[in-house]
Amino acid sequence: ETGVTQTPRHLVMGMTNKKSLKCEQHLGHNAMYWYKQSAKKPLELMFVYSLEERVENNSVPSRFSPECPNSSHLFLHLHTLQPEDSALYLCASSPGITQGAGGYTFGSGTRLTVV
Amino acid sequence: KQEVTQIPAALSVPEGENLVLNCSFTDSAIYNLQWFRQDPGKGLTSLLLIQSSQREQTSGRLNASLDKSSGRSTLYIAASQPGDSATYLCAAGTTNAGKSTFGDGTTLTVKP
Repeated sequence: ETGVTQTPRHLVMGMTNKKSLKCEQHLGHNAMYWYKQSAKKPLELMFVYSLEERVENNSVPSRFSPECPNSSHLFLHLHTLQPEDSALYLCASSPGITQGAGGYTFGSGTRLTVV
Repeated sequence: KQEVTQIPAALSVPEGENLVLNCSFTDSAIYNLQWFRQDPGKGLTSLLLIQSSQREQTSGRLNASLDKSSGRSTLYIAASQPGDSATYLCAAGTTNAGKSTFGDGTTLTVKP
């Protein structure tokens, strides 16, 4: 596989469930990102990882817990979510986080619905 | 704080027209400007990436320009086709932990 792959594509979960979103990149990139896209809102950056270290946590509630076990994989663990967390969750990667490192490559996203 | 604005929010054109989408940003200290396409319910597909030292990039019928001093980028689409219908987003890249600031997008409809 090439590019950035996200699974699952669609997820419906109750407010008491625990689930995880997975992202995998096959580009040899060193940085990975989680973005949230809600209806009629711009993309919101959630987390940034560089070389498996979290370098940004953009005031995200603790019910969202990221994990980056290696530079190719990124997870977003979800628990006790609220209906307003329903959104498209996008994973992206880039060669790095420094100037001139190159732009983003996005996955296809996970459409999350919290009921 | 960087702010990115895209005008217009929506655009409808007949097939075959040439068109320009606009992106403006408030902080000229960017290290790249990236244009994406997003189809409904899908992820973002990168179209063009302009590094801060460059003025423009071209790919097929697409041409993107960057003017850092005026805080503007444009995406030119030549000979538009119905398949170009999508939302187009621009993102200004910063040196702050690799974060990019996204505009709200321009939703383009090309009518046959």
